[in-house]
Amino acid sequence: AQRVTQPEKLLSVFKGAPVELKCNYSYSGSPELFWYVQYSRQRLQLLLRHISRESIKGFTADLNKGETSFHLKKPFAQEEDSAMYYCGGKLIFGQGTTLQVKP
Amino acid sequence: DAGITQSPRHKVTETGTPVTLRCHQTENHRYMYWYRQDPGHGLRLIHYSYGVKDTDKGEVSDGYSVSRSKTEDFLLTLESATSSQTSVYFCAISDPGLNHNEQFFGPGTRLTVL
Repeated sequence: AQRVTQPEKLLSVFKGAPVELKCNYSYSGSPELFWYVQYSRQRLQLLLRHISRESIKGFTADLNKGETSFHLKKPFAQEEDSAMYYCGGKLIFGQGTTLQVKP
Repeated sequence: DAGITQSPRHKVTETGTPVTLRCHQTENHRYMYWYRQDPGHGLRLIHYSYGVKDTDKGEVSDGYSVSRSKTEDFLLTLESATSSQTSVYFCAISDPGLNHNEQFFGPGTRLTVL
């Protein structure tokens, strides 16, 4: 069965610290993975796609097929990054990680 | 935001009553999805549709039914609401031919079953 796992429910860091939100997957075939972000009481919105090596709001994510991971990284966290982050594929999402950036 | 709306946005109902949530899109996307979002469980797929009158079950489909008679509308029905169905419900759309399965989400419906 396909599975996406986000092992951390909550990640708390100080402003300016590096951030890594973990995502591991179990997929048959080639994975199609995305990171979505949900700010307080708002709808989910796409942050990053696995197929593009872009940086959005300073975040990057690399698909590592050897480690079956798609971790989300940012070198210097900002307070406005505080939100819920979901790693997901076509029909399945991880449990979500709440990122809390403290001043 | 993509043209996705959900109605109602908030609803309080009693156990045993039927409830229908509506998702409406103006993007002509082929796929539509219903998810529920719960603390500790994240986002879980209830049902999805890959075309008019074509639907399939998701991870947590028990107690829910769906219908899609038009491309733009996807209805989620709780035949007899239970307290365990208290949740925030999100609709999403995608079109693999356009966006590589990227999903666009609606604003959510907060449902409380007393």
